Amino acid sequence: GEDVEQSLFLSVREGDSSVINCTYTDSSSTYLYWYKQEPGAGLQLLTYIFSNMDMKQDQRLTVLLNKKDKHLSLRIADTQTGDSAIYFCAEMLSGTYKYIFGTGTRLKVLA
Amino acid sequence: DTGVSQDPRHKITKRGQNVTFRCDPISEHNRLYWYRQTLGQGPEFLTYFQNEAQLEKSRLLSDRFSAERPKGSFSTLEIQRTEQGDSAMYLCASSMGGQLNEKLFFGSGTQLSVL
Repeated sequence: GEDVEQSLFLSVREGDSSVINCTYTDSSSTYLYWYKQEPGAGLQLLTYIFSNMDMKQDQRLTVLLNKKDKHLSLRIADTQTGDSAIYFCAEMLSGTYKYIFGTGTRLKVLA
Repeated sequence: DTGVSQDPRHKITKRGQNVTFRCDPISEHNRLYWYRQTLGQGPEFLTYFQNEAQLEKSRLLSDRFSAERPKGSFSTLEIQRTEQGDSAMYLCASSMGGQLNEKLFFGSGTQLSVL
């Protein structure tokens, strides 16, 4: 199937690290992405990882990829109240240019 | 670069009416996508274009939905005989296909409410 799975909610305290997990479907997906959506807005690309990489770091963001388990995670260091949003993982299915999105994880950062 | 633009931002219509949405992608992008998002869900793929060619349509897309991209630039999504179940956020996105690190950029969406 084409179901990309994510846990629905995550709550952390300001300054702590957040880890958002995703299980994707296509072991041949070339790129995997993380998007952020704030209320009433479209999706903003945060970061992405190429499938031949295990890890990518981009300032406060760290992406980990486990291809064997088709598991993707996003770690946000020193989480701030401005990080409160819904986070979506996405994959581009191999053999097509179609992007499939997860159900989203709502991150709430407590001051 | 003004990003992906969608018009209108909000549309309220009565059941049975037709509606049309417009999307202007980032100017050099050759791929254009339409997604639908309902509350608490991730974006669901509807269709995409490469230049003016519509390359794939979702099984979710009934015959009441039609999308065009006549000159390979802007696109329109029309919904005929709207139903209450069509109420959703309709998102447009574009990308520059053929690049090593292709990325998808979204517009702010058109929120459709069918009464």
